Amino acid sequence: DPKIIQKPKYLVAVTGSEKILICEQYLGHNAMYWYRQSAKKPLEFMFSYSYQKLMDNQTASSRFQPQSSKKNHLDLQITALKPDDSATYFCASSQDRGSYEQYFGPGTRLTVL
Amino acid sequence: QQQVRQSPQSLTVWEGETAILNCSYEDSTFDYFPWYRLFPGESPALLIAIRPVSNKKEDGRFTIFFNKREKKLSLHITDSQPGDSATYFCAARRTGNYKYVFGAGTRLKVIA
Repeated sequence: DPKIIQKPKYLVAVTGSEKILICEQYLGHNAMYWYRQSAKKPLEFMFSYSYQKLMDNQTASSRFQPQSSKKNHLDLQITALKPDDSATYFCASSQDRGSYEQYFGPGTRLTVL
Repeated sequence: QQQVRQSPQSLTVWEGETAILNCSYEDSTFDYFPWYRLFPGESPALLIAIRPVSNKKEDGRFTIFFNKREKKLSLHITDSQPGDSATYFCAARRTGNYKYVFGAGTRLKVIA
């Protein structure tokens, strides 16, 4: 059974719209993260949460808003979508914020037309 | 400025050969270096990792060689198999900082 679930797997949106990317982890971890991989670029850290609290935000734009309704959930809301937002968004988790090992979900591939 | 660099961008080897994937970094405060493997459509999976206190870490067919002085490390995959064909990412993390910095990846193809 997958330990980190991301939904949907693929997502197509129009410029200016809003989408929510879902992430749930069943590893019992206390820290969760979002990373983004744009075309031909390295995975790039976006956010980290620990016990449902935002700990670090490396995203310059306020259009990206993480949301944690439960300890094992960390969704990502993206508003006013732009074509440059097209990327694969990976959710990850670790036992705690200080734990070295991070485990990744399968990603949501977002295409903005 | 890319803090973690990988080379080559793509690599093709024959089945049974040793594939060598290279990684270098600039920040001497990095203290943890994991390698992830990514098959298309799947999750990046942690393969093996090393800390600078060691210069070698082995796990089955996967070995990391680490050179702290030159800020370089390499992943050796011995007896490469077609099932090893994937993209391999080198990452790094600083002490007290939980975010990973990733390289751009090496796309490995193993031909039978």
